[in-house]
Amino acid sequence: ELKVEQNPLFLSMQEGKNYTIYCNYSTTSDRLYWYRQDPGKSLESLFVLLSNGAVKQEGRLMASLDTKARLSTLHITAAVHDLSATYFCAVDISFQGGSEKLVFGKGTKLTVNP
Amino acid sequence: ETGVTQTPRHLVMGMTNKKSLKCEQHLGHNAMYWYKQSAKKPLELMFVYNFKEQTENNSVPSRFSPECPNSSHLFLHLHTLQPEDSALYLCASSQSTGGEIQETQYFGPGTRLLVL
Repeated sequence: ELKVEQNPLFLSMQEGKNYTIYCNYSTTSDRLYWYRQDPGKSLESLFVLLSNGAVKQEGRLMASLDTKARLSTLHITAAVHDLSATYFCAVDISFQGGSEKLVFGKGTKLTVNP
Repeated sequence: ETGVTQTPRHLVMGMTNKKSLKCEQHLGHNAMYWYKQSAKKPLELMFVYNFKEQTENNSVPSRFSPECPNSSHLFLHLHTLQPEDSALYLCASSQSTGGEIQETQYFGPGTRLLVL
């Protein structure tokens, strides 16, 4: 059974600080997604990582993928309050020719304090 | 309307009721998905429709019945639900090219369901 584990599950940090969220998964996959969810809202796509060594950056967030280690990281640089949300990683375990099938981690609830 | 829309946004139903959730995508995608998001559990994939054909049923109880009349609309018919079915039900869509690299899934706002 595929397991997708995120850590930490809860993260409280101060504005201006840096931190990394980790996403480990237990099966072979070369596609990984990061989503953001604000309270009471739906999921918003942040990054799509499609190959080993992929690195993508958007503003204060940077995501990377190491398919050999089955690890993705989401790095937060100089956090601001607006980044407070829950962040999910999702691993694509589609079979060849089949539909996309995502398995999600439990999410990391990030709170950025002034 | 743009993106993925869902109605109703909130629903309260008794265990003997029958109700339906509706999802519509305005993105020209050909794959649609139902997910369940419960408190303290990871987001769970329930059903996948690809080119209107159901390609995935993730061991979902028969009291949940999906319907996909065309590539833009997806329904989830509910009957004789249990209190533990209370959750946020999210619909998503994506463009599937039959195994090639696929775009990310776009999610609707969800239907918050409470079963009494």
